[in-house]
Order: sequence, then structure tokens, then C-alpha cells
Amino acid sequence: NAGVTQTPKFRVLKTGQSMTLLCAQDMNHEYMYWYRQDPGMGLRLIHYSVGEGTTAKGEVPDGYNVSRLKKQNFLLGLESAAPSQTSVYFCASRDGQRNTEAFFGQGTRLTVV
Amino acid sequence: AQSVTQLDSHVSVSEGTPVLLRCNYSSSYSPSLFWYVQHPNKGLQLLLKYTSAATLVKGINGFEAEFKKSETSFHLTKPSAHMSDAAEYFCVVSGTNDYKLSFGAGTTVTVRA
Repeated sequence: NAGVTQTPKFRVLKTGQSMTLLCAQDMNHEYMYWYRQDPGMGLRLIHYSVGEGTTAKGEVPDGYNVSRLKKQNFLLGLESAAPSQTSVYFCASRDGQRNTEAFFGQGTRLTVV
Repeated sequence: AQSVTQLDSHVSVSEGTPVLLRCNYSSSYSPSLFWYVQHPNKGLQLLLKYTSAATLVKGINGFEAEFKKSETSFHLTKPSAHMSDAAEYFCVVSGTNDYKLSFGAGTTVTVRA
């Protein structure tokens, strides 16, 4: 099993450009999450999904959009990138049963110049 | 609402000495608690989890944690640090009826030879 796979692993964007980060999981998990990691701040939840076709806002959703058209995929979009969105982005998935742990991708390092 | 406080942002130990990473949580429900480790430029790996069974939880690589409800704590320990333990560690809480995982800010562990 590949687990959780994020694409791409690295990206440099110019301010105002758009991009989509792809997360794919092969564990048939119901829940999927997008986090951003910044030094000294832990991981902060951007958006999450509790099932195919559903999404919800997390702690820091501004400037991002998401879609979950297929159960195995969770897309994170930046419509107009800003330098403040320079970060490492992690996708995670989790079974729908209570008390289960999340499985994480390897991360996407995004730099906005 | 739920939250996690990691009491130390940085811990430095000598190889072969004990490691203690402190975590306090708040949760309105019976929580699930997790410790994750992140090695440099890597994703997050589960060390151990507490899900209302035994209060002393054993994890991978010799780590263990004790759930203390009266103190709302879930401290992580290891009797003898190894150079490979140098990493960032995150304490994570999830409420009983909550899809979300809340992260602490992280503790960076340095191991001196």
C-alpha cells in the first residue's frame, strides 16, 4: 500500500499564481485533512472532509479552497498565491471509526515569491 | 473545544539518558491522544496512541506515555535516548465526537553524543 501520497513535493510560485495540490489515499478512509506547518506553530488545519462530496473549514481556511469529488482524493487549491502561504503542506487521512489515528503524506514544500 | 499545550519547545538530552516530553490537554469529551514524531524533511509517524484502554501506553522505539486524567496530561518518556531520536514531536488530541485533530506546537529534541 502506498498510504497517503501528495503531489507535488516541491513548488515555487509567483505571487498571484494559482495551483492545486493533490492528495490521494488508498486505505478507503472516510476523513481527509489538509494542514499547513510553520515553524513554532505546529500543524494548523486548513480544511477537512468527512466523506466524498463534503468539505468543511478548519482553523486557517482563508485563501484556500478544497474539493473531494472522489473518496480517495482531496484537492487543495490556491487561487491567487501570496507570500504568507509559503509553508509545508501536509495531507492526512483517517478511518471513520472513533479513536483512530491519522496517516500523513510526506508533505509539499511551497514557496511563494 | 479541545486543545493541546506542549510545555517545552526544545529539549536537549545526552545519549543514553532519559527523555521526558510534556503535554497537557483540554477536551470536553473523553479524548483520544496521540504522539507523532517528525524527522527532518519527513512526514509524521505515529509513536503511540491512547484510546481509553490502559493508561500506560507503549509505542514504537521504546517510547511510552501515561494518561493522567486528574492532571489532564499525556507525557511522553523514553528511558534511554538514542541519536536517532533527534526529531520534532507532536502531541495531538481528538475529542470523542470530533472529526478534527488538534496539534500542539511541537517539541524539538536534540540528542548530544
